[in-house]
Amino acid sequence: GDSVTQMEGPVTLSEEAFLTINCTYTATGYPSLFWYVQYPGEGLQLLLKATKADDKGSNKGFEATYRKETTSFHLEKGSVQVSDSAVYFCALSDLDSSYKLIFGSGTRLLVRP
Amino acid sequence: NAGVTQTPKFQVLKTGQSMTLQCAQDMNHEYMSWYRQDPGMGLRLIHYSVGAGITDQGEVPNGYNVSRSTTEDFPLRLLSAAPSQTSVYFCASSSGTGGMTEAFFGQGTRLTVV
Repeated sequence: GDSVTQMEGPVTLSEEAFLTINCTYTATGYPSLFWYVQYPGEGLQLLLKATKADDKGSNKGFEATYRKETTSFHLEKGSVQVSDSAVYFCALSDLDSSYKLIFGSGTRLLVRP
Repeated sequence: NAGVTQTPKFQVLKTGQSMTLQCAQDMNHEYMSWYRQDPGMGLRLIHYSVGAGITDQGEVPNGYNVSRSTTEDFPLRLLSAAPSQTSVYFCASSSGTGGMTEAFFGQGTRLTVV
């Protein structure tokens, strides 16, 4: 079945460092891809999304590009802030069933001042 | 705008007890889902609903029941709690089936079964 694999965490960075969190997927069709973020004590919030190959999702300085050839959707940010400390989840869904998300295991990011 | 509201936020149960986790959304969304979050495993789908009166099983449905009598509410029932059900539970809702549709999540219920 469909699945999502994320890099193990935690990832610890200094403020203003460059961030990459790797995400690869396995899917039989053409899924939509998402990054969700979970701040301490809160639920998940959508960070960005992409629905077809070569689409780039972006929000709050974060970017991810839907790479069909490498089945990847890596999350990047050029300069992280302490406030970016959170758990980041990569997820996919079928194009016609966005209410059935398949999540990766999550990557905890800690940004130090 | 309340969004998705889950109650309670925390709960401790004894093995064999029953309880209902409540979920309500005020966005008139057709689609609602329940997930559980366990360390190192991300979120896994328990049950989902595509509209009032319609529910279906997700990846890990055993030990859980759901019903959807109204658009707003989607309760999750544990009939006989087991320690393996210790987890954080999230309810989510969305407005459509398209790939661009965003899922909105509640703040979660942390359940401990002793």
